[in-house]
Amino acid sequence: KQEVTQIPAALSVPEGENLVLNCSFTDSAIYNLQWFRQDPGKGLTSLLLIQSSQREQTSGRLNASLDKSSGRSTLYIAASQPGDSATYLCAVTYTDKLIFGTGTRLQVFP
Amino acid sequence: GAGVSQSPRYKVAKRGQDVALRCDPISGHVSLFWYQQALGQGPEFLTYFQNEAQLDKSGLPSDRFFAERPEGSVSTLKIQRTQQEDSAVYLCASSFSVATGSNQPQHFGDGTRLSIL
Repeated sequence: KQEVTQIPAALSVPEGENLVLNCSFTDSAIYNLQWFRQDPGKGLTSLLLIQSSQREQTSGRLNASLDKSSGRSTLYIAASQPGDSATYLCAVTYTDKLIFGTGTRLQVFP
Repeated sequence: GAGVSQSPRYKVAKRGQDVALRCDPISGHVSLFWYQQALGQGPEFLTYFQNEAQLDKSGLPSDRFFAERPEGSVSTLKIQRTQQEDSAVYLCASSFSVATGSNQPQHFGDGTRLSIL
């Protein structure tokens, strides 16, 4: 059974810090891995999608890496800002569905 | 509309009542998904449609849960004889291509927050 784990569960940092969020999955037979952002009371916004054949994707201050063989992904956030405060969810596409981790709740304070 | 639309945004029902949750996907999107998100947890897959065909319903927790997408566009998730453990946020997502092997992202609505008293 595919399981996705995210560490840490919560993170509180001053603005300007560079951050690393971790995601691990148990079954490497994935099509892709996505990182999402979820604001309170809102749905999910896709941040980055890494195909199984790729090693990383970048968008602005965000960089996500994928090591499929070891079942790991990291999301790197550079120069964090208070507007980055949200829950970050990692999900793998496995067969026909997304399997989500429980998320990392990030708070960036001024 | 530009995104996935879900209604109602909030629903309060008494235990034992039936509820219906609606999802309007992005126009032209083939795939539609329902997820259940308990408080403090990540979303969990419920069911998947490709056009009007329900290809995977392995995540539906019991036979009280029923989903349909009769014309391959709008979908309805129905929960019969609701119980307190059904309280959660129900998220709908759509995608342009078929699900299996797809590298197209899923686009999510804001969800329906269901509270069973």
